[in-house]
Amino acid sequence: DVKVTQSSRYLVKRTGEKVFLECVQDMDHENMFWYRQDPGLGLRLIYFSYDVKMKEKGDIPEGYSVSREKKERFSLILESASTNQTSMYLCASSPSGGMNTEAFFGQGTRLTVV
Amino acid sequence: AQTVTQSQPEMSVQEAETVTLSCTYDTSESDYYLFWYKQPPSRQMILVIRQEAYKQQNATENRFSVNFQKAAKSFSLKISDSQLGDAAMYFCASNFGNEKLTFGTGTRLTIIP
Repeated sequence: DVKVTQSSRYLVKRTGEKVFLECVQDMDHENMFWYRQDPGLGLRLIYFSYDVKMKEKGDIPEGYSVSREKKERFSLILESASTNQTSMYLCASSPSGGMNTEAFFGQGTRLTVV
Repeated sequence: AQTVTQSQPEMSVQEAETVTLSCTYDTSESDYYLFWYKQPPSRQMILVIRQEAYKQQNATENRFSVNFQKAAKSFSLKISDSQLGDAAMYFCASNFGNEKLTFGTGTRLTIIP
């Protein structure tokens, strides 16, 4: 089975802290994604990576950066956490090469910035 | 802009009954896929069903089926014989011709015993 693992289920950080959210997948997928999930807004794409060291901005990249040094690992970085970044963060991966490919999701990290 | 719209924030259904969740979308692409994902309280998002826009035949997966109306840009999900385990948030999504998914705002489905 495909497994996408996020390092924390719950995280509490202080305003201004640098925050790292880690995601690892074990199926050799080329594509990895970070989404933010908020009630009434659904899932919004923050960043997308289609290969090691390659990334594209999604719909809401402001205040975030990403790192993909190895194929299996995709990190989301909040350079200076703010209270409006309190949210659920979902990581996903998918194989490349087709539009019909299924995206596999991690269990999410609920981040609270105080 | 390419968008996915779910107009029903919440739905409920009696156990063993049938329920239909609505989804509309907007795109100028001609070839794309549409998906329904389920997010149970455990948060693990899983794929329920997918439909290619070029296929006229509606996709079916056991108790789950879709009503795909390409001209109307409508993609509804029908759940037959609803079970308690079907309680979840359901998200409609599309890749709109690329490898990134755009999601709707979700519908929370409650199953009434």
